[in-house]
Amino acid sequence: DTGVSQNPRHKITKRGQNVTFRCDPISEHNRLYWYRQTLGQGPEFLTYFQNEAQLEKSRLLSDRFSAERPKGSFSTLEIQRTEQGDSAMYLCASRQGNTEAFFGQGTRLTVV
Amino acid sequence: AQSVTQPDIHITVSEGASLELRCNYSYGATPYLFWYVQSPGQGLQLLLKYFSGDTLVQGIKGFEAEFKRSQSSFNLRKPSVHWSDAAEYFCAVGVVMEYGNKLVFGAGTILRVKS
Repeated sequence: DTGVSQNPRHKITKRGQNVTFRCDPISEHNRLYWYRQTLGQGPEFLTYFQNEAQLEKSRLLSDRFSAERPKGSFSTLEIQRTEQGDSAMYLCASRQGNTEAFFGQGTRLTVV
Repeated sequence: AQSVTQPDIHITVSEGASLELRCNYSYGATPYLFWYVQSPGQGLQLLLKYFSGDTLVQGIKGFEAEFKRSQSSFNLRKPSVHWSDAAEYFCAVGVVMEYGNKLVFGAGTILRVKS
């Protein structure tokens, strides 16, 4: 197992388009997190899954954002009608129980 | 509300010199504290963590951090910096939510190492 994998690594999209990112966690990890990191800031929590259940969502997560983890394995984060303010690095992390969280390399989104 | 403050946006040290990165947190309960490092284009790597017990914790790559409850601080130290330590460092506090927990990060400190 090579760790948490995120695809794509980079995405450039035009304002108003929809984008979807994928996260493949470490295989035995039941907890999965999405964070967003903008330039000059630390990561900010977006949402959390335990197995397939989305248990927590940040107020930062507007109605244009949706996340799924259909079989408790990989997860997708979709942004509809992208805005320039959505430009950021989107990080995924996974953990098993209360052990250390491992982060992926992130997907950098640029909205033009 | 819970928060983490890293007062220094940038720090420059000479290779071989000692390093201290500052972190202050605000959290009502007993904190779980973390330091992560992020190299350009990379994800976050955990350097060390404090849950309880000994207030001086050792981490990877020769880093250590000291938890001081009275000062609400968790400063990161390294006695001798190597050029490969140049990166961005994030302090974080673990926060309990209704159905799980999350990390609240500081804004980060960029470390530059000069030869």
